[in-house]
Amino acid sequence: NAGVTQTPKFQVLKTGQSMTLQCAQDMNHEYMSWYRQDPGMGLRLIHYSVGAGITDQGEVPNGYNVSRSTTEDFPLRLLSAAPSQTSVYFCASSESGFTDTQYFGPGTRLTVL
Amino acid sequence: AQSVTQPDIHITVSEGASLELRCNYSYGATPYLFWYVQSPGQGLQLLLKYFSGDTLVQGIKGFEAEFKRSQSSFNLRKPSVHWSDAAEYFCAVGGLGSARQLTFGSGTQLTVLP
Repeated sequence: NAGVTQTPKFQVLKTGQSMTLQCAQDMNHEYMSWYRQDPGMGLRLIHYSVGAGITDQGEVPNGYNVSRSTTEDFPLRLLSAAPSQTSVYFCASSESGFTDTQYFGPGTRLTVL
Repeated sequence: AQSVTQPDIHITVSEGASLELRCNYSYGATPYLFWYVQSPGQGLQLLLKYFSGDTLVQGIKGFEAEFKRSQSSFNLRKPSVHWSDAAEYFCAVGGLGSARQLTFGSGTQLTVLP
């Protein structure tokens, strides 16, 4: 199993550009989530999904969109990048919810100029 | 609202010494508590978790944590630290209330001296 994979590993954007961060898992997990990690702030939940076709907002959803058309994939879209979105983004998955062990991807480091 | 406080931003210990990382949480009901570890450049890995039952829980890599409801704490311990334990450690809390999600603390960076 590859576990949770994320692409790209690094990305530089200009303010106003849009992009999609990819996340995929091959463990047939129902629950997937996106976090951002900023220095001194730990991880903050952006969006999560409890299964295909179902998504919900986390703590910091503004400026981000998600969809879940398949069990395996959970892409995160930045609609119009802002410098405040410079961060490291982690995707995670678990069997059925946050109470299960979450498996994290290696992260995407995003810089918005 | 649920929250987690990790009062120590950075801790330095010598290899072989004991370790205790502090975690205090705020949650209105019985919490689900977790400790995750992040090695440099990596994603997070679960060390241990507590839901109910025995308040002393054992995890991977020789770590343990004790849930103390009266102190709203869930401190992580290890009797003898190895150089490979150098990493950042995150405490997290969640519950089955209206916000079914994890809230992470800001992390404690552990440095291990030879």
